[in-house]
Amino acid sequence: DIQMTQSPSSLSASVGDRVTITCRASQSISSYLNWYQQKPGKAPKFLIYAASRLQSGAPSRFSGSGSGTDFTLTISSLQPEDFATYYCQQSFSSPYTFGQGTKLEIK
Amino acid sequence: QVQLQESGPRLVKPSETLSLTCTVSGGSVNSGGYYWSWIRQPPGKRLEWIGYIYYAESTNYNPSLKSRVTISADTSKNQFSLKLGSVTAADTAIYYCARAKIASAGTLDWFDPWGQGTLVTVSS
Repeated sequence: DIQMTQSPSSLSASVGDRVTITCRASQSISSYLNWYQQKPGKAPKFLIYAASRLQSGAPSRFSGSGSGTDFTLTISSLQPEDFATYYCQQSFSSPYTFGQGTKLEIK
Repeated sequence: QVQLQESGPRLVKPSETLSLTCTVSGGSVNSGGYYWSWIRQPPGKRLEWIGYIYYAESTNYNPSLKSRVTISADTSKNQFSLKLGSVTAADTAIYYCARAKIASAGTLDWFDPWGQGTLVTVSS
């Protein structure tokens, strides 16, 4: 199985900050990397696919980059509604695996 | 747009079988091009892909659960179901159903949309 590791596991930031979350795969997954946002008590919400492509309707302050084993999710200017947990997920091969999540909290 | 809704017992006894159903609206489980999936999230832990069904009869399961999992579809009701046998407390989780588009290589693109999820507790 491909192991997905995110860092940090939690992050405190303020509205307006720029934040970056990292996801690392245990082997190369090309650009087969997706990002989801999950708020408490809600299902994950699909944000970014193919490492850097924004899902239709996702705010443009979200961006993704990377290929191979190292990927990042960046939020350019944090908004109050962005405080949530973020997960990466590889779609390179079955079984499809997720990172452990990064909880973004208000400072 | 496509919407998914999980249903089933919220409490299951150890060693018994967990059974959940996902009802699909706005789309068809019998349509080509999509994997109809189950994903779970134990409390405080990461999401875990359980498996999927496609073309209403073909399946693919996570090897870690394969010996205990069955996913099936009822096209007349536009539903697909999960059965997980011999459950233990470690199977306590929020269970989600989700749709994924089949990618050109036979893998999947991404999971979207998702059902709201249902918490299933394994306890005597």
